[in-house]
Amino acid sequence: AQSVTQPDIHITVSEGASLELRCNYSYGATPYLFWYVQSPGQGLQLLLKYFSGDTLVQGIKGFEAEFKRSQSSFNLRKPSVHWSDAAEYFCAVGAQGNNDMRFGAGTRLTVKP
Amino acid sequence: GAVVSQHPSWVICKSGTSVKIECRSLDFQATTMFWYRQFPKQSLMLMATSNEGSKATYEQGVEKDKFLINHASLTLSTLTVTSAHPEDSSFYICSASGGSSNQPQHFGDGTRLSIL
Repeated sequence: AQSVTQPDIHITVSEGASLELRCNYSYGATPYLFWYVQSPGQGLQLLLKYFSGDTLVQGIKGFEAEFKRSQSSFNLRKPSVHWSDAAEYFCAVGAQGNNDMRFGAGTRLTVKP
Repeated sequence: GAVVSQHPSWVICKSGTSVKIECRSLDFQATTMFWYRQFPKQSLMLMATSNEGSKATYEQGVEKDKFLINHASLTLSTLTVTSAHPEDSSFYICSASGGSSNQPQHFGDGTRLSIL
């Protein structure tokens, strides 16, 4: 079965600094990969997804992620973080597209003024 | 587009009562809906997957008689927590998809359930 590891439980960055959140997956075939963001007490919002094609994926709110098969990674990046980006970020992998999706443990992002 | 509405957002009730949570896709037909449970500061745990008009598929360890799922239409799925107890207190989140494998899941805002 597929699985996801988010090595960083908590990351703190200064506003305006660049951001990279790590995600490693385990799956034998080409995975479907997702990044979601969750604000406290709310549901999840899809930032971006990778199904096939270009390995650099652009998402909403200025986020991007790069699929690297050789490293089994799908790291999320943003060149300049805003205070409103503070939230919990979840990486997810699906074995059958949107079905059978498994989430990582999440990375909590704190943004310093 | 792709809005999922979940209701109620917060419910507090006494131990032993049953609680129903609704999940609606507002602007698309959701052939598949998913129910997750999230404990504080933890990730989402898939409880069950439901397809419209058929019985839900429960994940291992999830009691189907405790968590009743109904997906009677393409826009509505319900989760009923029967005879709820304090250990059932949690954040429950639903998601929905159009069923095609290249469509992501769209999530509701969750329901915080507190059992006294």
